[in-house]
Amino acid sequence: GENVEQHPSTLSVQEGDSAVIKCTYSDSASNYFPWYKQELGKGPQLIIDIRSNVGEKKDQRIAVTLNKTAKHFSLHITETQPEDSAVYFCAASRVNKFYFGSGTKLNVKP
Amino acid sequence: GAGVSQSPSNKVTEKGKDVELRCDPISGHTALYWYRQSLGQGLEFLIYFQGNSAPDKSGLPSDRFSAERTGGSVSTLTIQRTQQEDSAVYLCASSSLQGTYEQYFGPGTRLTVT
Repeated sequence: GENVEQHPSTLSVQEGDSAVIKCTYSDSASNYFPWYKQELGKGPQLIIDIRSNVGEKKDQRIAVTLNKTAKHFSLHITETQPEDSAVYFCAASRVNKFYFGSGTKLNVKP
Repeated sequence: GAGVSQSPSNKVTEKGKDVELRCDPISGHTALYWYRQSLGQGLEFLIYFQGNSAPDKSGLPSDRFSAERTGGSVSTLTIQRTQQEDSAVYLCASSSLQGTYEQYFGPGTRLTVT
């Protein structure tokens, strides 16, 4: 089955700096790669996603890149703000099944 | 519109008791997922319902776990003879599977088995 690995497990940045979280996957048939933000006591919330026919997608301060050959995808957050502090999960999906990474706890220091 | 709702938000039960967790998906969403999230861990897939098709139960950790979805809407996850290792947050998500595959998550039920 699919195996998704996510790094780093924790990330601390200064407000205004960029943050990058990386994931790798094993199943070349995976074709949908969402990223979720989970705040304390809440369910994960989709923040951006990318499909296998696209290499990069951007939405304001967040962007995701996908390298299908290497089977890895990354989340980039620019100009980080304290409210970006949360746990971020990547996932890989095919045939409507989702496999999640273990999460990255992002701490943005004011 | 209303998002995915789950009840109860918190449940404390004694080891050996049965528990039922409820999920109300977004109206019209045909796909429904249950996940388990242990403290500080990622999401572990449990079960997936899609329309009237047989559910994908491949993630259920033991035969103490079962789930049903009535009328293609509300779902109940049942854990029988709970064990301490069942303590976790149980998350439900729904998806329309029409055009996009976005999952929308509920707030979860925090289960504590004492």
